[in-house]
Amino acid sequence: DTGVSQDPRHKITKRGQNVTFRCDPISEHNRLYWYRQTLGQGPEFLTYFQNEAQLEKSRLLSDRFSAERPKGSFSTLEIQRTEQGDSAMYLCASSLFVAEAFFGQGTRLTVV
Amino acid sequence: AQKITQTQPGMFVQEKEAVTLDCTYDTSDPSYGLFWYKQPSSGEMIFLIYQGSYDQQNATEGRYSLNFQKARKSANLVISASQLGDSAMYFCAMREGREGTSYDKVIFGPGTSLSVIP
Repeated sequence: DTGVSQDPRHKITKRGQNVTFRCDPISEHNRLYWYRQTLGQGPEFLTYFQNEAQLEKSRLLSDRFSAERPKGSFSTLEIQRTEQGDSAMYLCASSLFVAEAFFGQGTRLTVV
Repeated sequence: AQKITQTQPGMFVQEKEAVTLDCTYDTSDPSYGLFWYKQPSSGEMIFLIYQGSYDQQNATEGRYSLNFQKARKSANLVISASQLGDSAMYFCAMREGREGTSYDKVIFGPGTSLSVIP
């Protein structure tokens, strides 16, 4: 297994369009996290899955954001009606029980 | 409320010297874990070191050690013998849980930018 994989690596979209990102965690990792990171800031928690269950969603997330993890494997993060303020790096991480979280390379979103 | 505080936005250290990066945290759960990650300019997040709240000894990994002071709720990272390649952003992170459940999430501090001077 080569680690956490995120697709696409870069996405440029027009304001108002919908975008979907995919994350493939390390096999058998039961925990999956989504974060958003803007330049010079720490990763900001968005949502967290344990297997297929979404256990928490940040209050910072508007209703335009939704995430799924069907069958407890890969996960998708969708942003509807994108806004310029959504421009950021979206990071996915996975972990097994209480071990460290391993990160993907991220998806850089630019909303124009 | 801010749960992880890193009070040093930027730090400089001379090559081959040691440097301490500060981290304080806040949690009411007795079971938690503390991590440090490095993020070079290339953007990937690299795990460095982990300390569990019940661990008696301070964690060490090569040139990295974690100075864990539980009563003060601090988990400072010490990098010995700094190298030019250590120049990066460093993030303190905490895994917090809910006692009696398997719930946990990992949250990050704002980071410290470390620059190693030749």
